[in-house]
Amino acid sequence: DIQMTQPPSSLSVSIGDRVTITCRASQGISNSLAWYQQKPGTLPKLLIYAASTLQSGVPSRFSGSGSGTDFTLTISSLQPEDVATYYCQKYDSAPLTFGGGTKVEIK
Amino acid sequence: EVQLVESGGGLVQPGRSLRLSCTASGFTFGDYAMSWVRQAPGKGLEWVGFIRSKAYGGTTEYAASVKGRFTISRDDSKSIAYLQMNSLKTEDTAVYYCTRARRDAFDIWGQGTMVTVSS
Repeated sequence: DIQMTQPPSSLSVSIGDRVTITCRASQGISNSLAWYQQKPGTLPKLLIYAASTLQSGVPSRFSGSGSGTDFTLTISSLQPEDVATYYCQKYDSAPLTFGGGTKVEIK
Repeated sequence: EVQLVESGGGLVQPGRSLRLSCTASGFTFGDYAMSWVRQAPGKGLEWVGFIRSKAYGGTTEYAASVKGRFTISRDDSKSIAYLQMNSLKTEDTAVYYCTRARRDAFDIWGQGTMVTVSS
């Protein structure tokens, strides 16, 4: 099975910083990747699908890129409400594995 | 409003069974695959399995950790998806989320239901 890794597991950043979160697949998955945001104590929310398509209603400061094995989620200017854990998920075929998550905290 | 509501969670002893339900509203349930995702306390998201829509055969796929113990089914007439969990283990303790599975992502999530497996 394809493994999804998200190094590092946590990031400490300042408000207004550009934040880049990485996700790596152990084998190529084309652009079959989704990103989710989970704020503390809440359910996950879809941010991006097909590696780079913004889900309706998601702020434009979020963007995604990548194809094959390496993907990134970028927050252009971190806002206080962006404190959350971010997960990637492969979506090409079962198992639909999630990455371990990257927790974004304020410095 | 598009909504998923899980029910059926609770405390259960190891080795016993439990069935979770996911009631959908606000969309044509039968048009979509449905999936279950779980999250152990303080841990990340783990995909459990999904069931395709009838148009795609209504077939199922499962994570290796639950295959042979868990079964996903659906009743399109009632807009309900089920997760039957047998031979439960302590490591199955988690919040279980029901999700609407588009072809490219899980776009709608329920609020989750807690399952605690303990003696």
